[in-house]
Amino acid sequence: RKEVEQDPGPFNVPEGATVAFNCTYSNSASQSFFWYRQDCRKEPKLLMSVYSSGNEDGRFTAQLNRASQYISLLIRDSKLSDSATYLCVALNAGGTSYGKLTFGQGTILTVHP
Amino acid sequence: ETGVTQSPTHLIKTRGQQVTLRCSSQSGHNTVSWYQQALGQGPQFIFQYYREEENGRGNFPPRFSGLQFPNYSSELNVNALELDDSALYLCASSSGQLSDTQYFGPGTRLTVL
Repeated sequence: RKEVEQDPGPFNVPEGATVAFNCTYSNSASQSFFWYRQDCRKEPKLLMSVYSSGNEDGRFTAQLNRASQYISLLIRDSKLSDSATYLCVALNAGGTSYGKLTFGQGTILTVHP
Repeated sequence: ETGVTQSPTHLIKTRGQQVTLRCSSQSGHNTVSWYQQALGQGPQFIFQYYREEENGRGNFPPRFSGLQFPNYSSELNVNALELDDSALYLCASSSGQLSDTQYFGPGTRLTVL
């Protein structure tokens, strides 16, 4: 079983749609969680951190449920520019002296006119 | 931009050869982590360097090695290249070995023929 598993997608949605991505993690010692965005053939870029209380950044809302070991990302009013691969990420540092980012395989989102 | 640079951008090698990839960390950052991203997958942690010492390692064989220099720039060396080593190699710099904020460089795309 992979440490971080994502909805594989791909998701194809029209502009203006709301789309939700789900992710689960298996390492209960994971400390922090993130969503990264990766454009084709580019490096991953931090989209937002994820907190148990939920956090919102404009059209993007992220949520963490530690009891279920579940993370979500909601994108409202999708734009063409939202087309990218979305990576669910956990920071694992429990019992070690280093922080390792563990990535899911990514979910491809295509927003069409 | 993150201020993290990598060279070269692209590289083509043949099986059995050796390769060195380079990374310059963001100013003020003393930690560099290296990741391998195969096509269609999320990045996988190779190892981390903190203050010129290897500080943690993922599930990669010893033919993957690295260095960190006094200015905190870093090298990734891969010996006896295999076809499966073809991937995007990403480095990420951070301000501490347990920092949850890692800034990625643009990556080096390695093709092994």
